[in-house]
Amino acid sequence: EAGVTQFPSHSVIEKGQTVTLRCDPISGHDNLYWYRRVMGKEIKFLLHFVKESKQDESGMPNNRFLAERTGGTYSTLKVQPAELEDSGVYFCASSRQGLSEKLFFGSGTQLSVL
Amino acid sequence: QKEVEQNSGPLSVPEGAIASLNCTYSDRGSQSFFWYRQYSGKSPELIMSIYSNGDKEDGRFTAQLNKASQYVSLLIRDSQPSDSATYLCAGTQDSSYKLIFGSGTRLLVRP
Repeated sequence: EAGVTQFPSHSVIEKGQTVTLRCDPISGHDNLYWYRRVMGKEIKFLLHFVKESKQDESGMPNNRFLAERTGGTYSTLKVQPAELEDSGVYFCASSRQGLSEKLFFGSGTQLSVL
Repeated sequence: QKEVEQNSGPLSVPEGAIASLNCTYSDRGSQSFFWYRQYSGKSPELIMSIYSNGDKEDGRFTAQLNKASQYVSLLIRDSQPSDSATYLCAGTQDSSYKLIFGSGTRLLVRP
């Protein structure tokens, strides 16, 4: 069974540019989550999808971040325009059920905003 | 005060020893707790989950939860160099899907 796939694995952009991160969850997993780890800080929740619906986006930092999950399959996280403080590792995770116990993480996208 | 706190380490133990990793949390509403292992540059991987007070054992790993003291720990017996990684403690509230992570403890097992 393929795991959670994220790409790109690394992205280096300049302040003010736009970046789109993609996550392909494990097939059959209705629940998809985005988390972020900023340098030196803990991993923090961004948002949660159930199929194509956003269940909770309380962790999204501001309106420069837009997450979508068209058709309830893969998800994208767009940052527009990117700021220096957006640098970090963005993790996607998926689960079959809504409980955190069955959470499978992708290897993350390292975003560097210069 | 952070919601979930861990000592960043590194915690260094010799091969074959018991490694003890600790975590405290501030929200008394937290119900479920998880230990994730993360190798450098890799994804976090679930090792143990614990929901009720007491101990839970799985192979070389034992998770301990004390809700009165708001304390969670992970013991790794017969530590191996391959156990060297960052260990993340995370908690959720009842029926929540949102993990609250600590910043992680780096474990180094010396051959």
